[in-house]
Amino acid sequence: AQTVTQSQPEMSVQEAETVTLSCTYDTSESDYYLFWYKQPPSRQMILVIRQEAYKQQNATENRFSVNFQKAAKSFSLKISDSQLGDAAMYFCAYNYGGATNKLIFGTGTLLAVQP
Amino acid sequence: DSGVTQTPKHLITATGQRVTLRCSPRSGDLSVYWYQQSLDQGLQFLIQYYNGEERAKGNILERFSAQQFPDLHSELNLSSLELGDSALYFCASSRGDGANQPQHFGDGTRLSIL
Repeated sequence: AQTVTQSQPEMSVQEAETVTLSCTYDTSESDYYLFWYKQPPSRQMILVIRQEAYKQQNATENRFSVNFQKAAKSFSLKISDSQLGDAAMYFCAYNYGGATNKLIFGTGTLLAVQP
Repeated sequence: DSGVTQTPKHLITATGQRVTLRCSPRSGDLSVYWYQQSLDQGLQFLIQYYNGEERAKGNILERFSAQQFPDLHSELNLSSLELGDSALYFCASSRGDGANQPQHFGDGTRLSIL
């Protein structure tokens, strides 16, 4: 069964600094998708970034980028120039690309941003 | 604003009761998904509908049922409620039904069982 592991329950970063959130996953599939979702205190689930497994190039969205290591089954999120508004719970998610579009989520990392 | 609308935002009820959660997908989206977020189980996929048909089932209890109507809105029915059903229930939608379709989430319905 596919699983997603986020080993850092909590992280803290100073404003304007860079932080990396870790995620590993387990799958026997070769074609799949990976996502990072942000859940601020308002509890919305906001898509931050996604990566297609067949693409070697790491995805980037403004200050957010990923380090995708397919062989190691690792998918970390780097947040550059951290802002107070980045404080939230971050969830890593996996979708194996079959007939369904079921997201499997990790347990989340709570990110605090210190002014 | 994701464009996915969930009502109500908050629901308080008692054990043994039945409730209905409603979701309107983004304009043009044909797929609707339901997820449950609880403290002990985390975020779990419940069920997916695509253009009115059930497409996939996850860890959905037999006391729970869902449907997607011709206008593409969806309802999640929870019956014989137990204290453990207290959770945040999310609806998400996507354009198609494939894994390459990003899912956009509503703001959730907070269900509290007293």
